[in-house]
Amino acid sequence: DARVTQTPRHKVTEMGQEVTMRCQPILGHNTVFWYRQTMMQGLELLAYFRNRAPLDDSGMPKDRFSAEMPDATLATLKIQPSEPRDSAVYFCASGLVQIGEVGGELFFGEGSRLTVL
Amino acid sequence: EDQVTQSPEALRLQEGESSSLNCSYTVSGLRGLFWYRQDPGKGPEFLFTLYSAGEEKEKERLKATLTKKESFLHITAPKPEDSATYLCAVQEKGYSTLTFGKGTMLLVSP
Repeated sequence: DARVTQTPRHKVTEMGQEVTMRCQPILGHNTVFWYRQTMMQGLELLAYFRNRAPLDDSGMPKDRFSAEMPDATLATLKIQPSEPRDSAVYFCASGLVQIGEVGGELFFGEGSRLTVL
Repeated sequence: EDQVTQSPEALRLQEGESSSLNCSYTVSGLRGLFWYRQDPGKGPEFLFTLYSAGEEKEKERLKATLTKKESFLHITAPKPEDSATYLCAVQEKGYSTLTFGKGTMLLVSP
């Protein structure tokens, strides 16, 4: 049963600390997305990769957030330093999206719930 | 202005009481509209893709329809297990990413 795996599921940290979230996309999927979900804003796109290349990270605060995909089985989202306003659920999603095609069938992980005190 | 607006924000139904959820969108060119279901503590799960006005898709008690300005998710004779948040998302022509609405939280009571 293929699925997207995210770690950690829950993280409580103090303001100023570094936080790293990890995602293992579904094998064979070529596109990986990072979303953030809050009650107020809903799901917001932070960044995405196709074939491991970063295509768009305009949704991320550049001074503190970074996203990488060191290999096809791992995507990371790092926050340094973390702030209370970063408290949210962070989702990774993967899909098989070809250029020029509609690509909305995404498979989401269960999310990493981050609380910054 | 939000590109995707869902209504109502929350909906409470009795088991067997049919209803519809609305998703209105304002993108200039629609490539696709998507419905997802999200259970508490879980990630969204894909339900349907709609590409053009007039298209309909069905899955069990759910039927999604699309016009040029909005989509409806019709729920026929819902059961408690249909309780979830339903998210609508659009993909605009020229873009590879989805823009999500804030969702409708559906609660079906036995």
